[in-house]
Amino acid sequence: AQKITQTQPGMFVQEKEAVTLDCTYDTSDPSYGLFWYKQPSSGEMIFLIYQGSYDQQNATEGRYSLNFQKARKSANLVISASQLGDSAMYFCAMREGRSGNTPLVFGKGTRLSVIA
Amino acid sequence: GAVVSQHPSWVICKSGTSVKIECRSLDFQATTMFWYRQFPKQSLMLMATSNEGSKATYEQGVEKDKFLINHASLTLSTLTVTSAHPEDSSFYICSARVQMNTGELFFGEGSRLTVL
Repeated sequence: AQKITQTQPGMFVQEKEAVTLDCTYDTSDPSYGLFWYKQPSSGEMIFLIYQGSYDQQNATEGRYSLNFQKARKSANLVISASQLGDSAMYFCAMREGRSGNTPLVFGKGTRLSVIA
Repeated sequence: GAVVSQHPSWVICKSGTSVKIECRSLDFQATTMFWYRQFPKQSLMLMATSNEGSKATYEQGVEKDKFLINHASLTLSTLTVTSAHPEDSSFYICSARVQMNTGELFFGEGSRLTVL
């Protein structure tokens, strides 16, 4: 079974508008971390935001916020005031357990296109 | 600046030759590094976990004799694609954990391999 599901292969958003990228996850481990990365066409992986399973509040980092709904096992990324430079692939990822020596498992990604 | 450096960024080789990709942690020690592979328009798939001073742990379906991983020091892990074939053409990207509180993975710039 897929551990990370991103159901939107592609999304379009008007510049300066907000956009939500969906992510659902599947784990039976009570301790886990959820991540969002941005991958522009150059290929580099850029860390955006992190949410721990025990965090009470939704994570925020500048224009990025994570809408964490634990009961629904969803961790949607919200980008506010979209910019042309936000056009890229976005990957949701999860690490299970407390150890930092376990790898991240990635979803299939969502390609975001920001329109002027 | 970059905390994980990968080299080379691009490599083209003939079928049957071997290619070595280096992944270095800058200014920190990485006992564990992860190697991922990404085919065009697809997600990152974990290939193996590289452990300093011991054998790498390979994911199911990844040939350990074909993808040789050496993690001889706390700052360097190498991936050697032996007897490369066109189907090995892909984007290879390494990562190493840095942040203790979040377990955020920093990634190298990636290496794009094209086998002719």
